[in-house]
Amino acid sequence: QKEVEQDPGPLSVPEGAIVSLNCTYSNSAFQYFMWYRQYSRKGPELLMYTYSSGNKEDGRFTAQVDKSSKYISLFIRDSQPSDSATYLCAMSPELNNDMRFGAGTRLTVKP
Amino acid sequence: DGGITQSPKYLFRKEGQNVTLSCEQNLNHDAMYWYRQDPGQGLRLIYYSQIVNDFQKGDIAEGYSVSREKKESFPLTVTSAQKNPTAFYLCASSASLSQRHGYTFGSGTRLTVV
Repeated sequence: QKEVEQDPGPLSVPEGAIVSLNCTYSNSAFQYFMWYRQYSRKGPELLMYTYSSGNKEDGRFTAQVDKSSKYISLFIRDSQPSDSATYLCAMSPELNNDMRFGAGTRLTVKP
Repeated sequence: DGGITQSPKYLFRKEGQNVTLSCEQNLNHDAMYWYRQDPGQGLRLIYYSQIVNDFQKGDIAEGYSVSREKKESFPLTVTSAQKNPTAFYLCASSASLSQRHGYTFGSGTRLTVV
């Protein structure tokens, strides 16, 4: 079993839809949870960061962490074609140390 | 603007040849990392370095080597011992003593064996 599981998709939605991206994990020591966005042939860029359980909102993006279920989510409201990318979840037990990545979910938002 | 520069963007390697991928950062970050990305798999850690002149093996270090002679530079050599080197290679850095979370990534090098 992988330490971090993420459905690779691909996921295709119409413009304006609400997108839900998810990851599950097995290591209860993870405390820091991140979402990265990766455009084609580019490096990942940090999108959202959450410490421990709870929600965090940034514009159209909301990150949720449920440590009791070992489940994290990223919601994108009013999705735009520019949101088309691969989204990777990442998590670590300590700040910037021993980070583990999901396989990434490829998202396409159609105009 | 600060960032990470990886070069070359595309690299072709012949069988039995060693190649070196460059990674330079001007973010004054202490820690640097090399990851390999294959389709359908998460980023896998090859090597990392927390300080100059020190580095540690990651999960898939076999067939790779690194050096960290300067804080700004962390080159990766893919040796002939790496049997399946075709992949997208990503360099990253982080400020380990900072409150800023997450890694900063370069734009990657796509290595292809010909």
